[in-house]
Amino acid sequence: DAKTTQPNSMESNEEEPVHLPCNHSTISGTDYIHWYRQLPSQGPEYVIHGLTSNVNNRMASLAIAEDRKSSTLILHRATLRDAAVYYCILRGGFGNEKLTFGTGTRLTIIP
Amino acid sequence: DTAVSQTPKYLVTQMGNDKSIKCEQNLGHDTMYWYKQDSKKFLKIMFSYNNKELIINETVPNRFSPKSPDKAHLNLHINSLELGDSAVYFCASSQVAGGVFYQETQYFGPGTRLLVL
Repeated sequence: DAKTTQPNSMESNEEEPVHLPCNHSTISGTDYIHWYRQLPSQGPEYVIHGLTSNVNNRMASLAIAEDRKSSTLILHRATLRDAAVYYCILRGGFGNEKLTFGTGTRLTIIP
Repeated sequence: DTAVSQTPKYLVTQMGNDKSIKCEQNLGHDTMYWYKQDSKKFLKIMFSYNNKELIINETVPNRFSPKSPDKAHLNLHINSLELGDSAVYFCASSQVAGGVFYQETQYFGPGTRLLVL
């Protein structure tokens, strides 16, 4: 399985932008970069995904490095509700289709 | 309306018992999953059904048997419960377009917290 590396934890102040990094140096050409998050006592929730170009949706933005070996999930204005564990996951063809969760980054929002 | 629902929310039972967890999705999706999240918070896929057919079966003890009566339901039956089965079980669903799994979005239920005593 293609692997990702994320910091165990991060803190951010409320109403400030948050940049969550993910390293995936062994990414293959067919791997999509997916982000999910899990709020306390809830099931995981889809955030965003992309292949090569940067992506935006109502929840977040995904910035993908030109060599695709790293990516950053950007929450533009963090709220207390964004406190969660954020998972960066690679999914692609050839046996890597499953959603394989790592340990993720625990994001704490400081009021 | 809840998109993916699970019952029960909590389940406390004795070792050796047999129990079932039910999952229903009203999203019209063709694929459903069961995941297990253990006490260390590792979340791992157990099973996946596409159009009522089993397509993913991870190395799960055969005491666990999923059943999909129709595309909207995927139930998990567990025989002879053991202490190590204590975990949170999540059901999820997705619509897999053209059999391409790695782009679809999975929608998760709220989880069933199973405690085996």
